[in-house]
Amino acid sequence: DTGVSQDPRHKITKRGQNVTFRCDPISEHNRLYWYRQTLGQGPEFLTYFQNEAQLEKSRLLSDRFSAERPKGSFSTLEIQRTEQGDSAMYLCASSSQAGSYEQYFGPGTRLTVT
Amino acid sequence: SQQGEEDPQALSIQEGENATMNCSYKTSINNLQWYRQNSGRGLVHLILIRSNEREKHSGRLRVTLDTSKKSSSLLITASRAADTASYFCATANYGSARQLTFGSGTQLTVLP
Repeated sequence: DTGVSQDPRHKITKRGQNVTFRCDPISEHNRLYWYRQTLGQGPEFLTYFQNEAQLEKSRLLSDRFSAERPKGSFSTLEIQRTEQGDSAMYLCASSSQAGSYEQYFGPGTRLTVT
Repeated sequence: SQQGEEDPQALSIQEGENATMNCSYKTSINNLQWYRQNSGRGLVHLILIRSNEREKHSGRLRVTLDTSKKSSSLLITASRAADTASYFCATANYGSARQLTFGSGTQLTVLP
């Protein structure tokens, strides 16, 4: 049984470039979450999928951010026209349907925008 | 925005001692969870307490919840150097129970 995986683990990009991150949840989990974490802070919720449906989006998710989960399995998070303020750790988590609220986190993708 | 605040922000203790961390939050909750994060890594779920529960145990962990004061505490007994990490409380609100709102964390250092 593998846990949540994220790719890449690190990404350095220049301001204005687009970046895309991938998350593979635990295989039997139908719920998938994206969070952003800056240094010294707790994670902040970005968005949540149940199967392929995006059910919740935070106001933090500006127009430059888009997330997809096309077949209800893996998910991608794209940031267009990156800004230095986008530098953070992007965490993905998944959870199962059966009444459990615990979330299982991946190792994160650390984004640095120069 | 951060829902909760952990107290203290940093805690340093000797191996074998107990560590207590507190969390306060602002809105009514469905449940409260505690997570651990080692430096530069993802978060690991530790324990969940529902809004109708007052205390819960898991191994060396003890969590209390006081909904009237909107606060929770995490006690780690007989701490070990491997317990060194950041600890976060996270709340799930009614109506949006899948969305977790995290506090800013307590950095625990256990000295051997």
